[in-house]
Amino acid sequence: AQKITQTQPGMFVQEKEAVTLDCTYDTSDPSYGLFWYKQPSSGEMIFLIYQGSYDQQNATEGRYSLNFQKARKSANLVISASQLGDSAMYFCAMRPLNNNAGNMLTFGGGTRLMVKP
Amino acid sequence: DAMVIQNPRYQVTQFGKPVTLSCSQTLNHNVMYWYQQKSSQAPKLLFHYYDKDFNNEADTPDNFQSRRPNTSFCFLDIRSPGLGDAAMYLCATSRDLAGGNQPQHFGDGTRLSIL
Repeated sequence: AQKITQTQPGMFVQEKEAVTLDCTYDTSDPSYGLFWYKQPSSGEMIFLIYQGSYDQQNATEGRYSLNFQKARKSANLVISASQLGDSAMYFCAMRPLNNNAGNMLTFGGGTRLMVKP
Repeated sequence: DAMVIQNPRYQVTQFGKPVTLSCSQTLNHNVMYWYQQKSSQAPKLLFHYYDKDFNNEADTPDNFQSRRPNTSFCFLDIRSPGLGDAAMYLCATSRDLAGGNQPQHFGDGTRLSIL
């Protein structure tokens, strides 16, 4: 069984500053993938970034980077230079990478980020 | 260009009146998923199709059914909607069920209200 915990239900950040959204996970699978999605108020889920458990380097994608600490089972999302359009719900998700497990995602409870002008 | 399209964006139905939500995709992906997302909660997987193989989650109520007539389309049927079924319904696709870094691609969702 897998579990994702996002301990910050809501966060504020000043425009142009960096912000870290926390994600910790628990799994018995030896290899797994971690995903972050953004969900604006309009409802669509937008894929942001992926980190594989065996990746040697932390993933980066534009202003998004993942602070992956495998021993601590954390995969925090860092957004640099926050913009007003970053205001949204952010979900951390994971799934095992063995082919028998399917592509089923386990989601965390989400963090609502609000960017202040 | 939208690759996973859900219609309608907003749906209002009456208590107990059957309703169908639609999802189409232009990605030619093998797997299609339906999620239910209630306010301020994470999406909850209802079921998925791998090609024509239907897989129901153990705790999905019988009230929820799905059809996938071809690769591109998948429908969510709610036979007798109750007030507790009011939610956002999200459709997603993935190329296959294998591992790797494939994300699921989501549609914009259909927000269902029950009167």
